[in-house]
Amino acid sequence: NAGVTQTPKFQVLKTGQSMTLQCAQDMNHEYMSWYRQDPGMGLRLIHYSVGAGITDQGEVPNGYNVSRSTTEDFPLRLLSAAPSQTSVYFCASSRTGVNTGELFFGEGSRLTVL
Amino acid sequence: QKEVEQDPGPLSVPEGAIVSLNCTYSNSAFQYFMWYRQYSRKGPELLMYTYSSGNKEDGRFTAQVDKSSKYISLFIRDSQPSDSATYLCAMSEADSWGKLQFGAGTQVVVTP
Repeated sequence: NAGVTQTPKFQVLKTGQSMTLQCAQDMNHEYMSWYRQDPGMGLRLIHYSVGAGITDQGEVPNGYNVSRSTTEDFPLRLLSAAPSQTSVYFCASSRTGVNTGELFFGEGSRLTVL
Repeated sequence: QKEVEQDPGPLSVPEGAIVSLNCTYSNSAFQYFMWYRQYSRKGPELLMYTYSSGNKEDGRFTAQVDKSSKYISLFIRDSQPSDSATYLCAMSEADSWGKLQFGAGTQVVVTP
């Protein structure tokens, strides 16, 4: 029972490089999202999707791009990495239609931008 | 000013004590209130969920919501070393499912 799987778990980038954080879920959840977690800031929503082909911006979308071509996958792209994007990134998923407050989170991807 | 304020701690208590955690918020449109637990280097997991005002109890955990004061609480009775984690409050508006506003999280350490 994999749940939400994120890769890579750790990554070091140089300023200006691009990369993609992968997220996959096997629970057939319609809703998927990306958060970043920084000390003292809590989790902040970057982008989210309510289904394949539908994405929208969250609280801190600048510098990130997403797409949702399948129900299972929701990759997060960093277009030109900046030191301010050093953070821990979490992908989360849930069902829609029933609001129980339960987001299922992956274990996180720790990104350092030098 | 953040929409959700939470004291980051750390909060250190002896085993068996009651842990008291709380968050304040400014957005009166919040209707759904949650507590997530996050162990070190892991993703958060849902602990408690409450809709609107009131209390909810689940085993050793009690969640309280006071919408008139914009204040939510989580109590952990008979705390155990395995309760050592960061506890994050989260909340959302009625029509903004999935768009949660999180507090910064409170680190709790339960010492044997």
